[in-house]
Amino acid sequence: NAGVMQNPRHLVRRRGQEARLRCSPMKGHSHVYWYRQLPEEGLKFMVYLQKENIIDESGMPKERFSAEFPKEGPSILRIQQVVRGDSAAYFCASSYGGATDTQYFGPGTRLTVL
Amino acid sequence: AQSVSQHNHHVILSEAASLELGCNYSYGGTVNLFWYVQYPGQHLQLLLKYFSGDPLVKGIKGFEAEFIKSKFSFNLRKPSVQWSDTAEYFCAVKDPGGYNKLIFGAGTRLAVHP
Repeated sequence: NAGVMQNPRHLVRRRGQEARLRCSPMKGHSHVYWYRQLPEEGLKFMVYLQKENIIDESGMPKERFSAEFPKEGPSILRIQQVVRGDSAAYFCASSYGGATDTQYFGPGTRLTVL
Repeated sequence: AQSVSQHNHHVILSEAASLELGCNYSYGGTVNLFWYVQYPGQHLQLLLKYFSGDPLVKGIKGFEAEFIKSKFSFNLRKPSVQWSDTAEYFCAVKDPGGYNKLIFGAGTRLAVHP
């Protein structure tokens, strides 16, 4: 059973460009979460999605960041007009949901903004 | 707001030494608790989790954790570490405010010397 897949693993962008990060959940999982890890810090929650719905986006910056999880295909985290402060590791997790929900993480995408 | 504290940011041990990593959370009600490990260059892996029942939880690779409600703690232990345990360890709690997001501690970097 394949785990959570993320691509690309490494992404380099210049300031002002767009970054698109993809996440394919584990088979059978319909819940997707995005977290950001800044250097020397723990993971910070960004957004929680189910198919075609954003459930909780309380951790998303108000501007430039958006996320989607369409009916078909991977979840996408999109960062427009990137700035140097967006450089971080972005991790996706997926789960079944429910009372004993356990999140399983992908390998992450390391974004570097030049 | 719920928070998680990991007081040891860096720990250095020799092989065969015993390990205990501290984790404290702030919420006083029912909690779901997790320990994840991130080996160098790899993604987060679930070590163990606590939802209810026996407060002593056994995980993979010989790790265990004890939930002590009165102390708001969920410390991770291993009686004898190996060089291969060198990694970063994250404690996390599910946000009791609803939905399923995880709140992570800042992490503890463990270095085990042969």
